[in-house]
Amino acid sequence: GAGVSQSPSNKVTEKGKDVELRCDPISGHTALYWYRQRLGQGLEFLIYFQGNSAPDKSGLPSDRFSAERTGESVSTLTIQRTQQEDSAVYLCASSEEGRGLAGGYEQYFGPGTRLTVT
Amino acid sequence: AQSVTQLGSHVSVSEGALVLLRCNYSSSVPPYLFWYVQYPNQGLQLLLKYTSAATLVKGINGFEAEFKKSETSFHLTKPSAHMRDAAEYFCAVSDRGYSTLTFGKGTMLLVSP
Repeated sequence: GAGVSQSPSNKVTEKGKDVELRCDPISGHTALYWYRQRLGQGLEFLIYFQGNSAPDKSGLPSDRFSAERTGESVSTLTIQRTQQEDSAVYLCASSEEGRGLAGGYEQYFGPGTRLTVT
Repeated sequence: AQSVTQLGSHVSVSEGALVLLRCNYSSSVPPYLFWYVQYPNQGLQLLLKYTSAATLVKGINGFEAEFKKSETSFHLTKPSAHMRDAAEYFCAVSDRGYSTLTFGKGTMLLVSP
């Protein structure tokens, strides 16, 4: 079946502009995660969705970052007034983890969106 | 808070040599541990995971890792490196609340002929 897809694959934007990044998880996966990978760094957790709710937003770096999920499917990560330090690869992952169950589920990652802020 | 330390941002081996990528973690509770691989211009792929069953975990492509609680380590090994193993490898930990992963900074494996 289809894996996790993300769009666009690359995005170049000017400082101060807003951007939207999209993630289509694997069908039926209730859990969805956003991570950020900056050059030379590991992946940083941004936000976790269970269904359409986000019980953990602790990784969002500032109030310029927001995310939503609808229909327990597609998710959009929005960055307002982009800054150069926002340049990174943004990765989305989904898993079968269900509400109330413990962790340890494999996360399936998309190919990422490379964001460059000029 | 959990953390993961991967020793060595780059590891170079010759084809056919032993691969050893080191990972140490800190966690206040017994963790789940993962190794992911990222090939150039591709997403992350799960190599193997430890979820408290056998401490020696076998993964794909001939890789394995051993959970050592006393050393808080989960090192990744492969007896004989192939050129196709050249990639970046990430160790990650999650606690038993839910699956949000804390990643190490990654180790780039370079394989020379």
